Amino acid sequence: GQNIDQPTEMTATEGAIVQINCTYQTSGFNGLFWYQQHAGEAPTFLSYNVLDGLEEKGRFSSFLSRSKGYSYLLLKELQMKDSASYLCASALSGGYNKLIFGAGTRLAVHP
Amino acid sequence: DAGVTQSPTHLIKTRGQQVTLRCSPISGHKSVSWYQQVLGQGPQFIFQYYEKEERGRGNFPDRFSARQFPNYSSELNVNALLLGDSALYLCASNGLAGGRVSTDTQYFGPGTRLTVL
Repeated sequence: GQNIDQPTEMTATEGAIVQINCTYQTSGFNGLFWYQQHAGEAPTFLSYNVLDGLEEKGRFSSFLSRSKGYSYLLLKELQMKDSASYLCASALSGGYNKLIFGAGTRLAVHP
Repeated sequence: DAGVTQSPTHLIKTRGQQVTLRCSPISGHKSVSWYQQVLGQGPQFIFQYYEKEERGRGNFPDRFSARQFPNYSSELNVNALLLGDSALYLCASNGLAGGRVSTDTQYFGPGTRLTVL
């Protein structure tokens, strides 16, 4: 089966660091995407991990452990505009594009 | 460059009606995927098309169909609408490796908000 779990909601303070976790159980795993989605808008690409380890991109970093079926997105120096839903998505092999999304984590950043 | 565009932005239909949603991919992208996002949930894969051929299909009933045109734009059709079809319909395009490899980054359009009454 295909299953992706992430927390439903998180809150954090402006300027702080927050870690959003994602666990997955997907057959044919071919990498892990993170997308940001503001309310009523399209998801926008944040990161992609296929190898174990940490990928850093400015204030955002993403980590993957394939053996544990685990990923996290780390947001540093939080800003109010980071309030959004963060979607974890597993890419599947099979010769075509298919992403299996989690339900998303709604992050609220407070002053 | 323009991103993925979708039309219409919003749509209200009644049960039993049919709807057509449209998508234009990023210039140069040949692959288009459709996703359904119910409020409070992540997007669910419906279809992928590449070079006018269906490359993948999600777990949706036959009421859902799609096609891709020579200019790589795409239409999603839903027949016999049900209340449960109310959702945000997202189109995504990608261009690397001709849509054959699932690790190509998909870029999403703004979506069409469909409400079925």
